[in-house]
Amino acid sequence: NAGVTQTPKFQVLKTGQSMTLQCAQDMNHNSMYWYRQDPGMGLRLIYYSASEGTTDKGEVPNGYNVSRLNKREFSLRLESAAPSQTSVYFCASGPFPTGGSYEQYFGPGTRLTVT
Amino acid sequence: KQEVTQIPAALSVPEGENLVLNCSFTDSAIYNLQWFRQDPGKGLTSLLLIQSSQREQTSGRLNASLDKSSGRSTLYIAASQPGDSATYLCAVAGTALIFGKGTTLSVSS
Repeated sequence: NAGVTQTPKFQVLKTGQSMTLQCAQDMNHNSMYWYRQDPGMGLRLIYYSASEGTTDKGEVPNGYNVSRLNKREFSLRLESAAPSQTSVYFCASGPFPTGGSYEQYFGPGTRLTVT
Repeated sequence: KQEVTQIPAALSVPEGENLVLNCSFTDSAIYNLQWFRQDPGKGLTSLLLIQSSQREQTSGRLNASLDKSSGRSTLYIAASQPGDSATYLCAVAGTALIFGKGTTLSVSS
C-alpha cells in the first residue's frame, strides 16, 4: 500500500516548456487534489476532482490544466511554464469530498523550478 | 473568504517542555479541522482531525482542541522531544481545505 505517489520528484523547465505532473493513489479514494506550496504563502488549492469524471478549479488555477484519468490517477499539466510556477506541488486524495469530514492524504511532492 | 492564521510563526523550546500551537480561522462554518506535520523537504503527514461536532482529539502526546464559535484550535504537545522538530500546519475544511502558513517548531536537546 503505497498511499499517494507523485512523479517526478524534481524537475527543471525552461520558460515556455510544457510538462505533466503525475499522481496516483491506491486507497480507492473518490476525491483527489492538487496544491502548490510557496514560501510565505502556505498551501493553495489549484484544482480538485470530487469524483471520477469531474474536475473543478481551486484558488489558483490559472496556467494549469488537470485530467482525472481514472479513479486512481489525477494529472496536472503546465502548458507553457512560467517562472511564477516555480513551486512545490502536492497531490492529495480523500475518501469523500472535503465537506464530508474526512481526511486528506498527501503525496511526497514535486519540486519544480522554471528558469 | 476563509482565512487561517497560525501563531507563532516559529517556536524554539528545550526538550521536555509542554507547548501549545495556535490556529484561528475567520469563518466558523467548517466541516472539520486537520493538523499536519511537515518535515523539511517532505510531504504532509496528518496528525489529528477534529470534526465540527467534536471538541478535541488525542493521539499519544498530542491533543488538539476546537472551539468553532470563537474560530480557534490549539495543538498541545506534551513533553516535547527533538524528533518533534518540524513545521505544523492547520487546515480547515469548508468547500475546500484552507491552510494556515504553519508554525516551525525547534526542540533542542
